[in-house]
Amino acid sequence: DTGVSQDPRHKITKRGQNVTFRCDPISEHNRLYWYRQTLGQGPEFLTYFQNEAQLEKSRLLSDRFSAERPKGSFSTLEIQRTEQGDSAMYLCASSRTQGPLNIQYFGAGTRLSVL
Amino acid sequence: AQTVTQSQPEMSVQEAETVTLSCTYDTSESDYYLFWYKQPPSRQMILVIRQEAYKQQNATENRFSVNFQKAAKSFSLKISDSQLGDAAMYFCAYSVIKAAGNKLTFGGGTRVLVKP
Repeated sequence: DTGVSQDPRHKITKRGQNVTFRCDPISEHNRLYWYRQTLGQGPEFLTYFQNEAQLEKSRLLSDRFSAERPKGSFSTLEIQRTEQGDSAMYLCASSRTQGPLNIQYFGAGTRLSVL
Repeated sequence: AQTVTQSQPEMSVQEAETVTLSCTYDTSESDYYLFWYKQPPSRQMILVIRQEAYKQQNATENRFSVNFQKAAKSFSLKISDSQLGDAAMYFCAYSVIKAAGNKLTFGGGTRVLVKP
């Protein structure tokens, strides 16, 4: 496995701009998760996909946030009209449906700074 | 709602010594998994150890072991023979076995400092 890859690693944007992050999961992992981690806190669940279907969304995922996973491979997370409160680390994780404990493997994250 | 609490914001340990990190959780579920993840500075989170709630035997992975007390809803992590590379944020996490997607609920983390 090559690991979960996230791009970009850092993103600085001005308030009101749109940003998009990409996550490439471990190949053959059919589940993909997005979490948000603010400074000094643990990650919080945002949403998850099984293959291309988005099966659950947290109430943290406002209507300015949209996630996609076309063809069940990579995923994108878009934030429209960014606000300063969106500044955080956005983590992606992937897992198999079957297998021991559905262990989630994490990427290094995308750190978003909204000025 | 399920919650995970890590009461120690920071722990310091001398190299080669032992440190124990505490974690408590609140759930009404009977079947769940518990995890400890390690997050080094500016690096990705990696799984340290995991425990199935239905197993009474405490999990062990090399220098890492847990003390799982189901009735008390406690899941502490012991790091033995601490090494400089153990310095990181440690997160306790929980997921429900029957829940769709097995999403993780994390605690707030404990920073471990290792003194040479």
